[in-house]
Amino acid sequence: QSALTQPRSVSGSLGQSVTISCTGTSSDVGGYNYVSWYQEHPGKAPKVIIYDVTKRPSGVPDRFSGSKSGNTASLTISGLQAEDEADYYCCSYAGTYDVFGTGTEVTVL
Amino acid sequence: QVQLVQSGAEVKKPGASVRVSCKTSGYTFTVHHIHWVRQAPGQGLEWMGWIDPKTTDSSYSPNFRGRLTLTTDTSMSTAYMQLSRLRSDDTAVYYCARAIGMVLLDNWGQGALVTVSS
Repeated sequence: QSALTQPRSVSGSLGQSVTISCTGTSSDVGGYNYVSWYQEHPGKAPKVIIYDVTKRPSGVPDRFSGSKSGNTASLTISGLQAEDEADYYCCSYAGTYDVFGTGTEVTVL
Repeated sequence: QVQLVQSGAEVKKPGASVRVSCKTSGYTFTVHHIHWVRQAPGQGLEWMGWIDPKTTDSSYSPNFRGRLTLTTDTSMSTAYMQLSRLRSDDTAVYYCARAIGMVLLDNWGQGALVTVSS
């Protein structure tokens, strides 16, 4: 079972937009509309910010959005804020099991 | 409010087994699956498996098959993760999490550090 592929790091200035990709296969990302994104701050448990590819849980700012094309899902943070500096992980359903991405460190310049 | 409280840190020798507990409260335990996820020091999240507390059906990552056992005690609203034949690369923080949808883990435990060292 291989992890989904994410860029190791992305950065952007305050107020800018950044997009994180999450590439899998037709057996996971491409095969189901069940992709979630988690935000993890150091020393804290992960927090879900996107589920079912595009949906936002209550309380998550609308600057976070998700999308998918083929075997690649994406998370976009529009209007980057200082508190968005964190690690981000995608997660996809893959039939009988789930799989996380390799993780992306977002730095706010 | 929903809470998942895990047992404390453990130190184990290679070849031993470890059991981590996850006591839940604030919701009906049998309604939602419990997932287990681990994170090695400085590394990413790794999905381990899930268990349905109502039916005890479970699914495990191929990476752990044969070493991982997930169980529940509905009378205590508690889930357990047991990992056997421990190796040094099993050193990690182990999390339990409640699933309210497909890959939708909305509440997490605080994590339990398991250190495997001779």
